[in-house]
Amino acid sequence: NAGVTQTPKFQVLKTGQSMTLQCAQDMNHNSMYWYRQDPGMGLRLIYYSASEGTTDKGEVPNGYNVSRLNKREFSLRLESAAPSQTSVYFCASSEYGSKNIQYFGAGTRLSVL
Amino acid sequence: GEDVEQSLFLSVREGDSSVINCTYTDSSSTYLYWYKQEPGAGLQLLTYIFSNMDMKQDQRLTVLLNKKDKHLSLRIADTQTGDSAIYFCAGPGSNDYKLSFGAGTTVTVRA
Repeated sequence: NAGVTQTPKFQVLKTGQSMTLQCAQDMNHNSMYWYRQDPGMGLRLIYYSASEGTTDKGEVPNGYNVSRLNKREFSLRLESAAPSQTSVYFCASSEYGSKNIQYFGAGTRLSVL
Repeated sequence: GEDVEQSLFLSVREGDSSVINCTYTDSSSTYLYWYKQEPGAGLQLLTYIFSNMDMKQDQRLTVLLNKKDKHLSLRIADTQTGDSAIYFCAGPGSNDYKLSFGAGTTVTVRA
């Protein structure tokens, strides 16, 4: 039982390059989330998808786009990477009403030079 | 949304008890959570408590909730080196789908 799987685990980009972070969950959850984690700032929500077919902005959406491809998959795209986007990115999923517990992937460590 | 605050660092001797504290602002009936993040890994749910409870115990973990003061704590008994990690307190966010996370408390266990 894999849970939440993120790819890639590590990535180095140059300023201005684009990339897509992939996330898939096998728990049949309706809701999925993208967070970034920076030292001393905890987790900040970038975007979330309450259910298949919907996406909404979180606290820090600027510079990112998302796609809820189907119930299992939720991707995060950086169109033109900036050094300020150097961070650790986490995907999570949850089932609304089931104590709202969020289950996290192992993270993608991104450096933008 | 909800503000969740916790202290950033805790150092504890192996075998002692650790107590990690958290304060929150939301008053609704809801779940409150403790997550653990080991180095290089994602967040793993440790335990949770519903806001109508005062205490929950799970093996070495004890969660205490003071609703009047909006204070949540996590006590780890007989702290081991494997307990070295970042611990996040989380509560409800600005809608039913979101959670608000504290900044995380880094716990260091020394021999």
